[in-house]
Amino acid sequence: AQKITQTQPGMFVQEKEAVTLDCTYDTSDQSYGLFWYKQPSSGEMIFLIYQGSYDEQNATEGRYSLNFQKARKSANLVISASQLGDSAMYFCAMREGTRGNQFYFGTGTSLTVIP
Amino acid sequence: GAVVSQHPSRVICKSGTSVKIECRSLDFQATTMFWYRQFPKQSLMLMATSNEGSKATYEQGVEKDKFLINHASLTLSTLTVTSAHPEDSSFYICSATAGPYNEQFFGPGTRLTVL
Repeated sequence: AQKITQTQPGMFVQEKEAVTLDCTYDTSDQSYGLFWYKQPSSGEMIFLIYQGSYDEQNATEGRYSLNFQKARKSANLVISASQLGDSAMYFCAMREGTRGNQFYFGTGTSLTVIP
Repeated sequence: GAVVSQHPSRVICKSGTSVKIECRSLDFQATTMFWYRQFPKQSLMLMATSNEGSKATYEQGVEKDKFLINHASLTLSTLTVTSAHPEDSSFYICSATAGPYNEQFFGPGTRLTVL
């Protein structure tokens, strides 16, 4: 089974609107970390936001927030007030355990912001 | 955040030659680095985990004699693609773990084209 599933290969959003990128995960560990990365066309991977499995509150980082629903095993990324520069690939990732090193990446969602 | 550099950013070589890619952690020490391969519009595929002072751990299906990894210091890991073939053409990206969330910081990537 896939560890990380991103079901939206492509998404469009109007500039200044909010958009939600879906991510579901599969693990039997009680302790794990969830990450979102942005990859613009230049190829670099940019860390956006982190959610720990024991965190009771949803993580927020500027215009990024993570809608963490533990029972559903989902960790959706919400981008508010979309900007043209948000157009990129977005990858959801999971690390099992607290100090484990291996990350599992989803297949990514391509976001296009329309002016 | 932590900075990871990668060199070269782009390389074109003839079939049969070897290519070395360097990955450096600039402002932190990394006992473990990761090497990924990414095909166009696809997710990152973990190739190997590079461990300082010891042998790399390769993922299933990755030829260790083809992709030589050397992690000689706490700030440098190298990936050498030996006897490169056109099918080795890809985007190679390295990362290291750092930060408060033990997130992975990525290098800018190396685009390899084998003619």
